[in-house]
Amino acid sequence: DTEVTQTPKHLVMGMTNKKSLKCEQHMGHRAMYWYKQKAKKPPELMFVYSYEKLSINESVPSRFSPECPNSSLLNLHLHALQPEDSALYLCASSPRRGAGDEQYFGPGTRLTVT
Amino acid sequence: AQKVTQAQTEISVVEKEDVTLDCVYETRDTTYYLFWYKQPPSGELVFLIRRNSFDEQNEISGRYSWNFQKSTSSFNFTITASQVVDSAVYFCALSEVYGQNFVFGPGTRLSVLP
Repeated sequence: DTEVTQTPKHLVMGMTNKKSLKCEQHMGHRAMYWYKQKAKKPPELMFVYSYEKLSINESVPSRFSPECPNSSLLNLHLHALQPEDSALYLCASSPRRGAGDEQYFGPGTRLTVT
Repeated sequence: AQKVTQAQTEISVVEKEDVTLDCVYETRDTTYYLFWYKQPPSGELVFLIRRNSFDEQNEISGRYSWNFQKSTSSFNFTITASQVVDSAVYFCALSEVYGQNFVFGPGTRLSVLP
C-alpha cells in the first residue's frame, strides 16, 4: 500500500469557521509533511513531522495548526483563515526525514476561503 | 542556498513526439538528491525518480529516461513517443543532505495533443 489519503477533497469555509484537514498513511513512514500549493506554482513546505514531533515550521501563520496524533495520521486545523489562504493543501509522507527519502503525496484538499 | 530552475514554463507537443524537460540546479553540497515528480490535473504529485549526486548513470524506465550531468548541474527528463496521458506539470526537486527540505523547481506544464 503506497497510498496517502486526504479528506476532504474540497472544502469551502468562511473566514470565521474552524475546520480540519486530515491525512493518513499506512506505509509505516515516520515523516509527514504539509504543503501549500497555489495555482501554477510549486508546492511550498509548511510543516514537517518526524517521529510524531514537529521538526519544521516554515514560519506559517498561527491560524494554521498542525497535529500528529500518531505515526499514521496528520491533521491541519484551520481557524480564521483569509481569502489568500485558498489553495491546494497537500500531505506527504516519507520513510524518514532524510534527504534521499522520496516523498509520497496525497491527492490534496482544495480549500476555498470566502 | 539550493535552487532549481526549469526554464521551460510550458511545452506543447503532438502525440508520439519525443520531448525533453530541462532541470538545472544549484547547490554547494557534494551530497544531494534529485527528484522528478509528475502532477496530473487531478492534483496528486507522483514520484518518478530519485538520483543521488554520486550516481551519474542515466536511467531508462519504459518511455521515460533521465540524463544526469554533474558537469552542467543538469538532470533532464525525456519522454519518448509521448502520449496524451503524459499531459501534466512536471517538477524537478533537489534535497541536500545538510539542507532541510525539498526545493521544487517552478515546474514545466506539458501538453500532449492528439
